[in-house]
Amino acid sequence: AQSVTQLGSHVSVSEGALVLLRCNYSSSVPPYLFWYVQYPNQGLQLLLKYTSAATLVKGINGFEAEFKKSETSFHLTKPSAHMSDAAEYFCAVSGWETSGSRLTFGEGTQLTVNP
Amino acid sequence: DGGITQSPKYLFRKEGQNVTLSCEQNLNHDAMYWYRQDPGQGLRLIYYSQIVNDFQKGDIAEGYSVSREKKESFPLTVTSAQKNPTAFYLCASSKGPPANLGYEQYFGPGTRLTVT
Repeated sequence: AQSVTQLGSHVSVSEGALVLLRCNYSSSVPPYLFWYVQYPNQGLQLLLKYTSAATLVKGINGFEAEFKKSETSFHLTKPSAHMSDAAEYFCAVSGWETSGSRLTFGEGTQLTVNP
Repeated sequence: DGGITQSPKYLFRKEGQNVTLSCEQNLNHDAMYWYRQDPGQGLRLIYYSQIVNDFQKGDIAEGYSVSREKKESFPLTVTSAQKNPTAFYLCASSKGPPANLGYEQYFGPGTRLTVT
């Protein structure tokens, strides 16, 4: 079965510093990978997705992620953190292994941005 | 604007009562989903539907029921059999199975249910 692991349930950075949120996936077939962001008491918003077109994927709000098959990783990065980036981030995977039309989510990483 | 609406935003119920959460979408999406979110945990899939009049159980379907009589609507009923119903419930929709073409899911704003 497919799965994702997000390393670090809490990440804290200073404003202006690099943001790196880690996601590793498990899949025996080429996966589709997604990053979502959730602000307090709101639904999830798609940041970006990988669907095999390009390994470096650019998303909204200055975020990007790189698909590395050899490392089974899809880490999310942003060169310079802004206070408004403070939120919870979820990595998700789907693919032909997935039963039905479902995403499998990681447990999330809470990002804190310090002034 | 197209999107997903969930109502109400906050819902309070007494233990032993059934409660129905509303989810409506005007995106013309075929697939719809219900997730449960608890503090410190990811999203857990309750039920999903790929087409009208059809739905499948997710990972934690016990104590919940759904219907899909219209493409736009996918209500979730939390029954009295659900042992720990207090949680944040999220509804989502997608064009079709994401496993086929990498379609993303679009989420509603959520309903926070508190049962006492």
